[in-house]
Amino acid sequence: DAGVIQSPRHEVTEMGQEVTLRCKPISGHNSLFWYRQTMMRGLELLIYFNNNVPIDDSGMPEDRFSAKMPNASFSTLKIQPSEPRDSAVYFCASSSLRDRLLPSNEKLFFGSGTQLSVL
Amino acid sequence: RKEVEQDPGPFNVPEGATVAFNCTYSNSASQSFFWYRQDCRKEPKLLMSVYSSGNEDGRFTAQLNRASQYISLLIRDSKLSDSATYLCVVNRPGGGNKLTFGTGTQLKVEL
Repeated sequence: DAGVIQSPRHEVTEMGQEVTLRCKPISGHNSLFWYRQTMMRGLELLIYFNNNVPIDDSGMPEDRFSAKMPNASFSTLKIQPSEPRDSAVYFCASSSLRDRLLPSNEKLFFGSGTQLSVL
Repeated sequence: RKEVEQDPGPFNVPEGATVAFNCTYSNSASQSFFWYRQDCRKEPKLLMSVYSSGNEDGRFTAQLNRASQYISLLIRDSKLSDSATYLCVVNRPGGGNKLTFGTGTQLKVEL
């Protein structure tokens, strides 16, 4: 059973370039999350989708960040233009949330992450 | 005040020792609590949920104190393979599965 799949595993780019991170959630999961992890700030929720609809993007740091989920099996996180302070590990996670209005004990399944370095 | 606070450690303990981590959360309306484990350069994985009555899974015991707004994780008879970072996780009130992660406590179990 395939888990959450992220690509690329590593991305090195120059400041000002566009970066696109990709995620394929676990089949059947209806919630998808994008997190960013740094040593200083730990894991931060950027945005999450429920049934392909963005529910909360309050964690997206700036207009340079955008995320889409065109269908249940694919999501992208785009940074344009990228800056050195965007360097971090970006994780995608999915879960099967039954009711988005209720707290859930459903576990989050994380992908292996994308290590982004912006020079 | 941070939503979830943990002692970053590292906790260096000998094999076989008992070690405990605490975590405090700021929002009294939080209803779901978890411990995740993250190995170096890997993704976080759920270790256990934390229930009001406390719960145990083998060598691991989790406890919740709502009055004081803290969560604990106790590891007995620690193994070398327990070396990892342990993340305290609390749901963000407002519904859904918005989880706030602590920055983690690093554990190193040594021979």
